[in-house]
Amino acid sequence: GAVVSQHPSWVICKSGTSVKIECRSLDFQATTMFWYRQFPKQSLMLMATSNEGSKATYEQGVEKDKFLINHASLTLSTLTVTSAHPEDSSFYICSARGLAFYEQYFGPGTRLTVT
Amino acid sequence: KNQVEQSPQSLIILEGKNCTLQCNYTVSPFSNLRWYKQDTGRGPVSLTIMTFSENTKSNGRYTATLDADTKQSSLHITASQLSDSASYICVVRTDKLIFGTGTRLQVFP
Repeated sequence: GAVVSQHPSWVICKSGTSVKIECRSLDFQATTMFWYRQFPKQSLMLMATSNEGSKATYEQGVEKDKFLINHASLTLSTLTVTSAHPEDSSFYICSARGLAFYEQYFGPGTRLTVT
Repeated sequence: KNQVEQSPQSLIILEGKNCTLQCNYTVSPFSNLRWYKQDTGRGPVSLTIMTFSENTKSNGRYTATLDADTKQSSLHITASQLSDSASYICVVRTDKLIFGTGTRLQVFP
């Protein structure tokens, strides 16, 4: 089956610094990638959708200058949290979908803690 | 407004017992309904996907049902195992995925 990986699996950073999270589709070409955020005991909330080679489309209320998304290749998307603050601490999950896929495959998630 | 509601919020059962989780949705237009299992600190893993015309779909000990008329779905887990302890999320696809808040299942020995 299709496999999506994320790196790192967890990261701790100081307030004001930037953190980059990678999402890779290991055995298929992901034409579309999705970034979600999940707070404790809550459901996944879509942050943005990106198509390879295009600018990401952000959901209402998500600051595009704070959460920079790059989808430069068919197997890699990155999410950079700029000037992170403690309220950005969350579980970030990416998801990928290929051109011929009916299914959207999720990565294992990245736990971000901002101190 | 597109919404997916799940019940119960949490459930505790003994190993070997069966359980049923519920999902009600108000989503339009409807494309398909999925059940995911999410272990703590992990991403969701797909259990079943059902389209409008499918009433039942099984995946091992997991059986999902869909009533498109009443806009209800259920996930039945048979002979529960300790490894079934997780959150189970009902997700309905329209132009995007609409996530339910999940049911937290704990299976005790």
